[in-house]
Amino acid sequence: EAQVTQNPRYLITVTGKKLTVTCSQNMNHEYMSWYRQDPGLGLRQIYYSMNVEVTDKGDVPEGYKVSRKEKRNFPLILESPSPNQTSLYFCATWEGAEQYFGPGTRLTVT
Amino acid sequence: KNEVEQSPQNLTAQEGEFITINCSYSVGISALHWLQQHPGGGIVSLFMLSSGKKKHGRLIATINIQEKHSSLHITASHPRDSAVYICAAPYTGNQFYFGTGTSLTVIP
Repeated sequence: EAQVTQNPRYLITVTGKKLTVTCSQNMNHEYMSWYRQDPGLGLRQIYYSMNVEVTDKGDVPEGYKVSRKEKRNFPLILESPSPNQTSLYFCATWEGAEQYFGPGTRLTVT
Repeated sequence: KNEVEQSPQNLTAQEGEFITINCSYSVGISALHWLQQHPGGGIVSLFMLSSGKKKHGRLIATINIQEKHSSLHITASHPRDSAVYICAAPYTGNQFYFGTGTSLTVIP
C-alpha cells in the first residue's frame, strides 16, 4: 500500500527546543515536500526535494531545515522553534498525476 | 495577493444538489491539482488536469488554461462529500501554490 508516514502526529514543545518531524515514503518517489497549513492561509510550501541531496526552498522556509540523505526519508528540522511555527504540517510526495500526503503533524510551540 | 483564488470559501448544500467550486490562478502553469481534505485532516489527491475535463465517479473537473480557471463539480451530492476542497497550482514545475480551500457541508 502506497504510504507516507509522519512522526510524531502530535507534539507540544517549548520555544527554542530543537525538534525533528520525520517523513518516510514507500513508493520510491523522487519528489518530496513539506507544507504547513494555517487557518485562513491554507497550505504553504516550506521545502521540497527533487531527489537525494537536492533540496530547495518553498514559500516559507524561514526557521526550518530539511535533509534528503536517502530517497525514502525527508525530515523537517526546527532548530529553535517559535510560537509562530505552531501549525499543522504535512509531508507529501508527487509522481505523475497524484500527490500523496502524510497524515499530518500538529505542532504547538508554547 | 494570492496567486490561487478559490470560491466560494464556504458552501452548504442539500443532499442531491449539483455543486460547483471554482479556482482561478494568476501563475503560469501547465496543470492543476484538486485535493480533498477530510474532516479528520487527511488529504487525498482527486485530479490532476492540464486540459479539458476529467471525471471520477460523481466528481468532474474542468480546466481552461488560457482563462486560468478550473472548476470542480460534484453531481448528486452526498453527506460523505462534506470536506474541504483545495486547488493547487504547480509552478516552475516543482513548487506549489494552493488555494485556501472551499469548505463543503452537505446536509441530509
